[in-house]
Amino acid sequence: GAGVSQSPSNKVTEKGKDVELRCDPISGHTALYWYRQSLGQGLEFLIYFQGNSAPDKSGLPSDRFSAERTGGSVSTLTIQRTQQEDSAVYLCASSLAGGYSYEQYFGPGTRLTVT
Amino acid sequence: GNSVTQMEGPVTLSEEAFLTINCTYTATGYPSLFWYVQYPGEGLQLLLKATKADDKGSNKGFEATYRKETTSFHLEKGSVQVSDSAVYFCALKDGRDNQFYFGTGTSLTVIP
Repeated sequence: GAGVSQSPSNKVTEKGKDVELRCDPISGHTALYWYRQSLGQGLEFLIYFQGNSAPDKSGLPSDRFSAERTGGSVSTLTIQRTQQEDSAVYLCASSLAGGYSYEQYFGPGTRLTVT
Repeated sequence: GNSVTQMEGPVTLSEEAFLTINCTYTATGYPSLFWYVQYPGEGLQLLLKATKADDKGSNKGFEATYRKETTSFHLEKGSVQVSDSAVYFCALKDGRDNQFYFGTGTSLTVIP
């Protein structure tokens, strides 16, 4: 079956531009997570969706970052007025919710480079 | 609160050496525990998991046992291969809020 997909796989943008990153979770997965991974670093949690609502937005680094999820499926992460420190790989993961044993399945990531 | 602490890397081993990567956790409830692996240039994938105390997860020769008394989930492999070179992440899932908590990752390099 299809896994988690993300698009674009690579994005180069100029400082100050807005970018949109897309995540298609595994069908039927109600939980969706966004993380950021800078070069050689661990995972930085950004936001978590349960259905279309986001119970935990605590990881969003600034008000330039926002995310939405529609129809309990596709999610977009938007970064406004990008800065060079936003350069990183943005990872999306999905999971069956409602059970503590369900693992996350990760997408391949979007590599964002801000010049 | 919930948190995961992993041993600092990087770790370099010779082929066929024994591997241990330490992971300890703090949890307010009864979490599930996971090890994820990220091979060079690839995405994260689940390596193994354990959902309750004393469970042992295993895959590809790797093992980890959920130890509630020591709040640990150490990853072990008896004989590593060059192809095991990767970054390993320990994680817990709090079933009450479906949130995942990751360690900082441990980079492993296996040399022939």
